[in-house]
Amino acid sequence: KNQVEQSPQSLIILEGKNCTLQCNYTVSPFSNLRWYKQDTGRGPVSLTIMTFSENTKSNGRYTATLDADTKQSSLHITASQLSDSASYICVVSGGYGQNFVFGPGTRLSVLP
Amino acid sequence: DAGITQSPRHKVTETGTPVTLRCHQTENHRYMYWYRQDPGHGLRLIHYSYGVKDTDKGEVSDGYSVSRSKTEDFLLTLESATSSQTSVYFCAISELLTSSYEQYFGPGTRLTVT
Repeated sequence: KNQVEQSPQSLIILEGKNCTLQCNYTVSPFSNLRWYKQDTGRGPVSLTIMTFSENTKSNGRYTATLDADTKQSSLHITASQLSDSASYICVVSGGYGQNFVFGPGTRLSVLP
Repeated sequence: DAGITQSPRHKVTETGTPVTLRCHQTENHRYMYWYRQDPGHGLRLIHYSYGVKDTDKGEVSDGYSVSRSKTEDFLLTLESATSSQTSVYFCAISELLTSSYEQYFGPGTRLTVT
């Protein structure tokens, strides 16, 4: 069964600290992996997208990594800010069409 | 939210009543989607549309129907709402039906079925 798991379920850090969120998937075939940020009460917004051949992608303070062999991805947030408080969702695509598998998300809270 | 509006934003309805949610886009994107989001679950696809009057079922389509009579509007109808359909519903749009396309989400509609 195609699945995407994320850990931790929730995370609390202090402003200015770094953190890493994890995503494990069993989606096959694999086409790409995306990370979305979802603020409370809003729709998800794309942060990064990586294909099979990419193992690192950065977007400002966000850096995503992908290990297609172990089917793992991580999202590293550097020098966290209060505005980083949100849910982060990992989405794996299995190819053309509508085979998008969403993870349950990690809820990040950044405290002052 | 990339020119996507959803209405209503919040709705409370009773079991057994029909409910229609509307998604409106100003981006002229060909593809439109309806997802539901529940605690502990990822977003799950209900239905999608690949053109005017062209729709197909997603992972959790039972109890839902859709219609798309114009490029800019995609309607989701709950024929007879049940408590299990209490959820947050998101509309999304995209331009290309390939796995590398960008998908933009609307602000969501919170539906409560009592």
